[in-house]
Amino acid sequence: DAKTTQPTSMDCAEGRAANLPCNHSTISGNEYVYWYRQIHSQGPQYIIHGLKNNETNEMASLIITEDRKSSTLILPHATLRDTAVYYCIVSYRSNDYKLSFGAGTTVTVRA
Amino acid sequence: DGGITQSPKYLFRKEGQNVTLSCEQNLNHDAMYWYRQDPGQGLRLIYYSQIVNDFQKGDIAEGYSVSREKKESFPLTVTSAQKNPTAFYLCASNWGDQSNQPQHFGDGTRLSIL
Repeated sequence: DAKTTQPTSMDCAEGRAANLPCNHSTISGNEYVYWYRQIHSQGPQYIIHGLKNNETNEMASLIITEDRKSSTLILPHATLRDTAVYYCIVSYRSNDYKLSFGAGTTVTVRA
Repeated sequence: DGGITQSPKYLFRKEGQNVTLSCEQNLNHDAMYWYRQDPGQGLRLIYYSQIVNDFQKGDIAEGYSVSREKKESFPLTVTSAQKNPTAFYLCASNWGDQSNQPQHFGDGTRLSIL
């Protein structure tokens, strides 16, 4: 299984873009990159996922490098409600797309 | 409104007692999952089921049991064999191994030992 590496924590100013990095240098060709977040005492919330191409939805954008060894989650205009732990996960079909959660990045949005 | 319902939100267990956590989904998803989360840590997979009447062990199945008699329900029993059951338990579902679609999570059950 590909493993991911994320910074332990980061701060962001309200209204600014938050860029969350993730390294997955051992990722293989059929592994997807997923991003979830977890607000304290709640279940994880799905944000976005991708394979090779950059993806965008109403919550965020996912930028995957051409070699696929790293990715960046972009929250375009961070709000106080975006304060959460963000998890970057890789998963693939032959592993039943099981998710393996690490410790994630604790993001604190400050006013 | 479609989603995953976990109950109860808080549960207390006496030493040596089995307890069952409920998870119900109305998303018509094929696959369901149970995770455990300890304070300050990520989630760890306990059991998962890709189809009714079938389930597989995850990374930390010892001391737990599950059943999948109906598509919409996947109850988890924490047995007395689980020596450190105090944790936050999360249930999830998705379309299963034919799809890369994301898992959707319930709001969790917090289990404590009396």
